[in-house]
Amino acid sequence: DGGITQSPKYLFRKEGQNVTLSCEQNLNHDAMYWYRQDPGQGLRLIYYSQIVNDFQKGDIAEGYSVSREKKESFPLTVTSAQKNPTAFYLCASIPSPARGAAGQPQHFGDGTRLSIL
Amino acid sequence: GQNIDQPTEMTATEGAIVQINCTYQTSGFNGLFWYQQHAGEAPTFLSYNVLDGLEEKGRFSSFLSRSKGYSYLLLKELQMKDSASYLCAVRLFNGQNFVFGPGTRLSVLP
Repeated sequence: DGGITQSPKYLFRKEGQNVTLSCEQNLNHDAMYWYRQDPGQGLRLIYYSQIVNDFQKGDIAEGYSVSREKKESFPLTVTSAQKNPTAFYLCASIPSPARGAAGQPQHFGDGTRLSIL
Repeated sequence: GQNIDQPTEMTATEGAIVQINCTYQTSGFNGLFWYQQHAGEAPTFLSYNVLDGLEEKGRFSSFLSRSKGYSYLLLKELQMKDSASYLCAVRLFNGQNFVFGPGTRLSVLP
């Protein structure tokens, strides 16, 4: 079955530490996204990537970094510069418009819950 | 800037009908999506509107008025399992970017 896999499900970060959240998809989707969700809030875009080796900052990119070396993978690093990283992180993907993506919803992974130790 | 508004919380009774509203002011519009999200889980897709009017899908219907920047999600014959947050999201003109509303937390009471 095709889908998006996020790991780990729970992650704890020590002060001053960088941590990396994994996101892998086998849907052959072109575009991938990282969102942050705080309790009782909607989704805020951190970074997105429309093709391999290209990515764009979202609304809250400060303190985060990404890479897109393979179509299937879009890892997110939460750096020590992100002073308030405690949140639920969601990865999503979608086909490109050229592949008939109009009207296609985003597919989401199950999320990673990050907390500070 | 982009702005999407939804009521923060709603409460309804099992078996009843509830309407969740969403208003948006965005720099572009290429469709509106509704998602359901249970606590601690990923959002799941419910419905999509790009043209004005009503889309019906079983117990769920969604309406769009582009001229008013307004949509609603209608849930009929409410069940306890419908207790969740409902997210409204607008797809922008570039087709690949989405803006999410804050979500509406619905509690269904027996």
